[in-house]
Amino acid sequence: EVQLVESGGGLVQPGRSLKLSCAASGFTFSNYGMAWVRQTPTKGLEWVASISTGGGNTYYRDSVKGRFTISRDNAKNTQYLQMDSLRSEDTATYYCARHGATPFAYWGQGTLVTVSS
Amino acid sequence: DVLMTQTPVSLPVSLGGQVSISCRSSQSLVHSDGNTYLHWYLQKPGQSPQLLIYRVSNRFSGVPDRFSGSGSGTDFTLKISRVEPEDLGVYYCLQSTHFPPTFGGGTKLELK
Repeated sequence: EVQLVESGGGLVQPGRSLKLSCAASGFTFSNYGMAWVRQTPTKGLEWVASISTGGGNTYYRDSVKGRFTISRDNAKNTQYLQMDSLRSEDTATYYCARHGATPFAYWGQGTLVTVSS
Repeated sequence: DVLMTQTPVSLPVSLGGQVSISCRSSQSLVHSDGNTYLHWYLQKPGQSPQLLIYRVSNRFSGVPDRFSGSGSGTDFTLKISRVEPEDLGVYYCLQSTHFPPTFGGGTKLELK
């Protein structure tokens, strides 16, 4: 059974950093591209970033480019999202997702990030 | 970015009934490889989204045949027949033909 478990969310002040983790199990992690998707009540679901199987290719939405870094450790079956220079508009539930025959074939339960002073 | 517009926003249904959800894109979702990358997800209350349909009409593993997807170009439909209690929640369409991938605003399926 595919399992994705996010951690690292919390309350952080504007301008500060936070690092999310996503532990994967139930599949061969190194064979799949991975992604982060966020959700807010006002903006709905937004793709944030994706990473290729080996980590050599990364992709970001414009609003987080230069501030967020997606990475993965295939030996640890874990992907990460380093979030720097956080803004209030980054407040959201962040989901880890696995690609497959389609993007976001499997999702984690989500971790809440609140950016506020 | 490609704008995905779902209608209706709210959809009351009786158990056992049939409903359709529309998803329209601001530009054609036909990829240069000939495929159309339009997908459907369901987010049940308190849960994360789950994949239902991929590439317009392909049911994901374990999805009952009460769910069917159709459409082409810019106009797509998700049909749910014989609605059951576990079908309630918010349905989202997603396009991944164009970068960045974009979601529709959601359609809430609820009991009448």
